[in-house]
Amino acid sequence: RKEVEQDPGPFNVPEGATVAFNCTYSNSASQSFFWYRQDCRKEPKLLMSVYSSGNEDGRFTAQLNRASQYISLLIRDSKLSDSATYLCVVKKNYGGSQGNLIFGKGTKLSVKP
Amino acid sequence: EAQVTQNPRYLITVTGKKLTVTCSQNMNHEYMSWYRQDPGLGLRQIYYSMNVEVTDKGDVPEGYKVSRKEKRNFPLILESPSPNQTSLYFCASRQGDYGYTFGSGTRLTVV
Repeated sequence: RKEVEQDPGPFNVPEGATVAFNCTYSNSASQSFFWYRQDCRKEPKLLMSVYSSGNEDGRFTAQLNRASQYISLLIRDSKLSDSATYLCVVKKNYGGSQGNLIFGKGTKLSVKP
Repeated sequence: EAQVTQNPRYLITVTGKKLTVTCSQNMNHEYMSWYRQDPGLGLRQIYYSMNVEVTDKGDVPEGYKVSRKEKRNFPLILESPSPNQTSLYFCASRQGDYGYTFGSGTRLTVV
C-alpha cells in the first residue's frame, strides 16, 4: 500500500458545485497533515493544515479521521480559479527520515463555466 | 518577503556536463529539501537536510549531490547529468510542524 493515496481524477465540475477530495495514508503514526494546491507548471502552495477537530477556511473545509486514516478536503461553491491539482500531504513521524513530508500524487480539478 | 529562491528557472544542458541548481531561503528554516516532479509519478524527494552540515538521502538520490554549508543555502549538484534526469525540480524549506514553502521550480532538460 502506498504511503499516501489519492484519486487522480480529473474531476470536471461546473461553477458553484461542491467538490470533495479524499486521501488515505498508510501509517497510523503520522501526526501532521496538509492540503497543497498546485497550478500547472507552478510550485505547490500550502492551502491548509488539517487538524483532528476539522477546520474551515472560507469555502474550504478539511477533515481528518484518524481511525480510518483518511483525510478529506471539501470545496463549496467552486470557482473557475479553483482549477488546479490538489495534493494530500502527510508528515512522516515513523521509521527513518522522520519529519519528511510525503506527497500524494494529487487530484486534478477542472471547474467549468 | 519570505521566500525560497531557486535558480535557474530553465536549463538545457548536454549529457555529462556538471551543473548546479541553487536554492536559498530567507526564513531561517532548519529543514530544506529537494524534490523532482515527473508526470504520473508525483513529487519525489531527492535529498533533505535537517540543519547545517546534516544531509540525508530521500527516495531518489542516485545521480545527485547536495551540500548545506550555511543555513540559508542548499544547492543541488548533478555531477554527470543524464537524460533521465530531465524533470521539474523544486527546492523547499520548512520549520517545525509547518508545511513547506517551495521555490518556483527549475525545469531541466538534459539532451
